[in-house]
Amino acid sequence: GQQLNQSPQSMFIQEGEDVSMNCTSSSIFNTWLWYKQDPGEGPVLLIALYKAGELTSNGRLTAQFGITRKDSFLNISASIPSDVGIYFCAGRREYGNKLVFGAGTILRVKS
Amino acid sequence: NAGVMQNPRHLVRRRGQEARLRCSPMKGHSHVYWYRQLPEEGLKFMVYLQKENIIDESGMPKERFSAEFPKEGPSILRIQQVVRGDSAAYFCASSPVGYYGTNTEAFFGQGTRLTVV
Repeated sequence: GQQLNQSPQSMFIQEGEDVSMNCTSSSIFNTWLWYKQDPGEGPVLLIALYKAGELTSNGRLTAQFGITRKDSFLNISASIPSDVGIYFCAGRREYGNKLVFGAGTILRVKS
Repeated sequence: NAGVMQNPRHLVRRRGQEARLRCSPMKGHSHVYWYRQLPEEGLKFMVYLQKENIIDESGMPKERFSAEFPKEGPSILRIQQVVRGDSAAYFCASSPVGYYGTNTEAFFGQGTRLTVV
């Protein structure tokens, strides 16, 4: 089945540091999405990417859709305590609406 | 404008009982998706429905699980004869249209945490 390999699994960083996480796949995806999930809540969409090579920002977040369409990364600049949570990448194939999710990156920030 | 509403938020069932999870999509949304999340894992697609139609059920277990989205009322995910392995968070998402792009991505509800004892 389709799988997304997301790394790192978890990270513990100092407030103010930049964060980077990525997702790779052996299959091509035509859409890459990045979500954040807080404890006890549903995923909230952060950034959506629809074209290979696309680089998109949302405040302190920046994400890129890899040229090969098999990977994507998310960067968070100048992390703050409220950035803690679980970040998921998700991919969608050209036909069909279902999303394939990575296993998540747990972000913990030291103040 | 209320978001995707799921109820109950928490559900405890004994083995062998039935679990019914409800999802009311956002106003104006006619496409509903159900996902399951096991502890410390990502979400796994289960089923995609439009009003009165199942579009894609490729992620649904072949037995005991069913889903519907009637013309009137919420979407229902039904699990019969629950087992311990069904314990998970079940998330519903809704979108206004079946194609995707900017401003048409699905919004997720807060989930129903099912615990089977």
